[in-house]
Amino acid sequence: NAGVTQTPKFRVLKTGQSMTLLCAQDMNHEYMYWYRQDPGMGLRLIHYSVGEGTTAKGEVPDGYNVSRLKKQNFLLGLESAAPSQTSVYFCASSNPARLNTEAFFGQGTRLTVV
Amino acid sequence: KQEVTQIPAALSVPEGENLVLNCSFTDSAIYNLQWFRQDPGKGLTSLLLIQSSQREQTSGRLNASLDKSSGRSTLYIAASQPGDSATYFCAAINSGGSNYKLTFGKGTLLTVNP
Repeated sequence: NAGVTQTPKFRVLKTGQSMTLLCAQDMNHEYMYWYRQDPGMGLRLIHYSVGEGTTAKGEVPDGYNVSRLKKQNFLLGLESAAPSQTSVYFCASSNPARLNTEAFFGQGTRLTVV
Repeated sequence: KQEVTQIPAALSVPEGENLVLNCSFTDSAIYNLQWFRQDPGKGLTSLLLIQSSQREQTSGRLNASLDKSSGRSTLYIAASQPGDSATYFCAAINSGGSNYKLTFGKGTLLTVNP
């Protein structure tokens, strides 16, 4: 039972470098989300997707791009990393069929930008 | 815009005590509400999902209630154990059209002392 898997788990970037975070889910969920978690800020929504080929902006989308080319994968890209993007990134998925919108989270990616 | 508040921010109790964690939300037109726990350095684990048509959900020693009209949810933990020590988050799930998004509180850090 893999659920939601994020890669990598840790990464250190230099300012200006780019990288892609991968999220994969094996539950055939329609919805996928990217959140960032910062001390004292809770979790804030970056981008989300309601299905294959779709993406939408969340609360804090600036500096990030996403793609959902396959239903099971949701990629988060940082084109030019900044120290303000140092955070823990969480991916989640859900399938709001009927009334059940239960969301499942990955284990997180800890990103440090120096 | 949905805003979620969790009180208290931190709570320390002796083992065996019953306790209540509080969650309030500003937009009562929620679809569902979900409670999570997070252990240090880990992802979020789903505890309970309360559908908007329900008043409460129970799982073992956990009981979550929902009062949409007052914008409140509570998580009751009976006979607390040191293993319950974690950060607990509530998330309000709103539907903007068919877009289901989770808005998180900042969490309650629970410490159960042996």
